[in-house]
Amino acid sequence: GQNIDQPTEMTATEGAIVQINCTYQTSGFNGLFWYQQHAGEAPTFLSYNVLDGLEEKGRFSSFLSRSKGYSYLLLKELQMKDSASYLCAVEDSNYQLIWGAGTKLIIKP
Amino acid sequence: ETGVTQTPRHLVMGMTNKKSLKCEQHLGHNAMYWYKQSAKKPLELMFVYSLEERVENNSVPSRFSPECPNSSHLFLHLHTLQPEDSALYLCASSRGDRESEKLFFGSGTQLSVL
Repeated sequence: GQNIDQPTEMTATEGAIVQINCTYQTSGFNGLFWYQQHAGEAPTFLSYNVLDGLEEKGRFSSFLSRSKGYSYLLLKELQMKDSASYLCAVEDSNYQLIWGAGTKLIIKP
Repeated sequence: ETGVTQTPRHLVMGMTNKKSLKCEQHLGHNAMYWYKQSAKKPLELMFVYSLEERVENNSVPSRFSPECPNSSHLFLHLHTLQPEDSALYLCASSRGDRESEKLFFGSGTQLSVL
């Protein structure tokens, strides 16, 4: 079966760096997405990786290794507003999205 | 503001009620989606509409009935729901009809079935 694994919850300190991992086992691979979802709000697009390597976008970076079935989202200079759930999703060979259950990130002062 | 608006934000209904969820997108997109989000579970795709035609129905119980009268509006009609249907129902849109395109989500309707 198809599966996306990410930690259920993580805690980090304001100003620090945190890495949220996502491992996947899918029928083919056509790309990997990260979305951010604040409590009670809409998920919003963060990043899309289709090739191996690191994509940097301001304080957020996303990494992909297709051979290892692995991605991570790196958040630097954490701010309180980064407290949210982070959803990993993989596009399989049928161009369908397989979603992880999300990682709830708690930022402490 | 994502450009996708859902109403109502919260809904409490009994198992014998009939209600409808509404979604409107102001982005000029061609595809619209309904997702179910339960606590600590992955998003579940329920329905996909592309240019007002239903293109996917992922074995959703018939007590959920979608309607897409035009490319900007999407409804989810609910009747004789079960308590396990309590969840956050999210609407999304995308430019094309591949689910894997960048999705724009609404804030969802938090549904409680008593």
